[in-house]
Amino acid sequence: EVQLVESGGDLVQPGRSLRLSCAASGFTFDNYAMHWVRQAPGKGLEWVSGISWNSAYLDYADSVKGRFTISRDNANNSLYLQMNSLRAEDTALYYCAKDVGTTVTNGGLFDSWGQGTLVTVSS
Amino acid sequence: DIQMTQSPSSLSASVGDRVTITCRASQSISSYLNWYQQKPGKAPKLLIYATSGLQGGVPSRFSGSGSGTDFTLTVSGLQPEDFATYYCHQSYSSPPTFGQGTKVEIK
Repeated sequence: EVQLVESGGDLVQPGRSLRLSCAASGFTFDNYAMHWVRQAPGKGLEWVSGISWNSAYLDYADSVKGRFTISRDNANNSLYLQMNSLRAEDTALYYCAKDVGTTVTNGGLFDSWGQGTLVTVSS
Repeated sequence: DIQMTQSPSSLSASVGDRVTITCRASQSISSYLNWYQQKPGKAPKLLIYATSGLQGGVPSRFSGSGSGTDFTLTVSGLQPEDFATYYCHQSYSSPPTFGQGTKVEIK
């Protein structure tokens, strides 16, 4: 059974940094692209970033480009999101999501999701 | 970016009803349209991929159709566990984008 467990969410002040982690199990992690998708309180889903199976291709939403960095450690079945220069509008539940394929050159297809980790940006 | 617009934003229905949700893309996305179900406090769940492919374990009362810019999700015979919010998602090009969601409530 696929399991994705996010961690690292917290209350942080605007301008500060935070690193999210996602521990994956139940599948061959390095065979699949992975993504971060967020959901602001009471709002819809917004894709944040994706990474190909071998980290060769990274993709970001314009809203986070230059501030967030996605990475993965295939040896430890882990996905990360380094978030810098956080803003109030980054407040959201951040989901880790598994792709059905290996690349992120298209729009992705998310067949498994974690339960999310909450990031709150406020002074 | 491709904009995805769902209608209606919410609807009230009874158990046993046939429910249809529409999703329109701002440009042609071929058949790269997917549907997710999200229940309160839970993560989204993939229901349908590539317009009409039923994800494993999803009941056959869920179906999808369409192509190009206009797509529909139909639930034939709504069950109590189907009351949730449904999102469409285009996987035609990056960035992936979602519709704003359709909340299906109990009448």
